[in-house]
Amino acid sequence: GQQVMQIPQYQHVQEGEDFTTYCNSSTTLSNIQWYKQRPGGHPVFLIQLVKSGEVKKQKRLTFQFGEAKKNSSLHITATQTTDVGTYFCAGRSGNTPLVFGKGTRLSVIA
Amino acid sequence: DGGITQSPKYLFRKEGQNVTLSCEQNLNHDAMYWYRQDPGQGLRLIYYSQIVNDFQKGDIAEGYSVSREKKESFPLTVTSAQKNPTAFYLCASSILDSVEQFFGPGTRLTVL
Repeated sequence: GQQVMQIPQYQHVQEGEDFTTYCNSSTTLSNIQWYKQRPGGHPVFLIQLVKSGEVKKQKRLTFQFGEAKKNSSLHITATQTTDVGTYFCAGRSGNTPLVFGKGTRLSVIA
Repeated sequence: DGGITQSPKYLFRKEGQNVTLSCEQNLNHDAMYWYRQDPGQGLRLIYYSQIVNDFQKGDIAEGYSVSREKKESFPLTVTSAQKNPTAFYLCASSILDSVEQFFGPGTRLTVL
């Protein structure tokens, strides 16, 4: 079945440093979504990418969808302590249910 | 976020007992989902439903059962057949199957 791999599993950064998490699918995706889960909380939707090569920005966050629609990345510029949490990608192929990656847990050291 | 409630937040049960987790939404969403979250495992789909009185198994449905008698409610029963039920359970809903999912606050189940 469809698999979504996400790396790294953990990332510790100094406040102000950049952060990137990568997502790769075993199959071509129709769309990919990104979620953030704060410690002790529940996942919250950040964005959805649909088009090949699509790039979207939300303030310090930049989301990319690969040309082949099999990979995606989330880049955070100049991390802040409020960025702490686990970032999940989730992809769908055709009419199959959304498949989540295992997430990247981000720690920010002040 | 708002509009999806899960109760209780923490639940303790003895091994061998069935337990039902509640999930209610007032967002008028057609689709509802149950996920299980274990440390380092991400979110794994247990069951999902796109319309009332219909539901499909996800990747880890064994030992679980659901019902969808009302659009706003999608309870999950963790049966005694589930070999390792201790986990964080998340319910979610969406307007259509292809757009963002809204998650409830979750229920942390501990089986003693």
